Amino acid sequence: GENVEQHPSTLSVQEGDSAVIKCTYSDSASNYFPWYKQELGKGPQLIIDIRSNVGEKKDQRIAVTLNKTAKHFSLHITETQPEDSAVYFCAALVSHGSSNTGKLIFGQGTTLQVKP
Amino acid sequence: GAVVSQHPSRVICKSGTSVKIECRSLDFQATTMFWYRQFPKQSLMLMATSNEGSKATYEQGVEKDKFLINHASLTLSTLTVTSAHPEDSSFYICSARPPQGQPPYAGVSQYFGPGTRLLVL
Repeated sequence: GENVEQHPSTLSVQEGDSAVIKCTYSDSASNYFPWYKQELGKGPQLIIDIRSNVGEKKDQRIAVTLNKTAKHFSLHITETQPEDSAVYFCAALVSHGSSNTGKLIFGQGTTLQVKP
Repeated sequence: GAVVSQHPSRVICKSGTSVKIECRSLDFQATTMFWYRQFPKQSLMLMATSNEGSKATYEQGVEKDKFLINHASLTLSTLTVTSAHPEDSSFYICSARPPQGQPPYAGVSQYFGPGTRLLVL
């Protein structure tokens, strides 16, 4: 069945350093890959997403890269700040037809700790 | 931006009782809403997909008679946990799919609600 693997499960970095979280997906038909940030006791918040017709997308300190051939996608956070500390989830949309149908399959999550 | 609300934010109930959780899309119409369950330190697991005016589609292993879903309007879906037991204690999160191709929602798959913490004693 559909599966998304996410690594690492925990990541601790010093403030100002970069953080990288990696995911792999199994369904080659997936064409939409969002990343979510979840703070304790709250719902997930979309921070960036990428579609399969694009290899890289950047939004200020956050970037996402996609390698369709290898079915890998990664989240890159530069100049990390303590407020970046949270759980991050990758996801892949298992599509059935148009790009916005289907369901999201989530990775296991990465707990990021940014030490001041 | 699009807002999805959930009510209540947290609920404590006795074993054997039923609990209803509401999910509302506040500024857009959502033909499809999704219900997830998240246990502590775990990922989000899709429970069911709710389409307005039709029966929900449940994921494998999710009991449809225990988790009743009603999507009666384009802005409201409800999840009722019937005869709740302590093992049903979890964080329940809904999401709503915005109108496809319509700004400012174009390209976003789902907007998530803030979640409902259920504790069954």
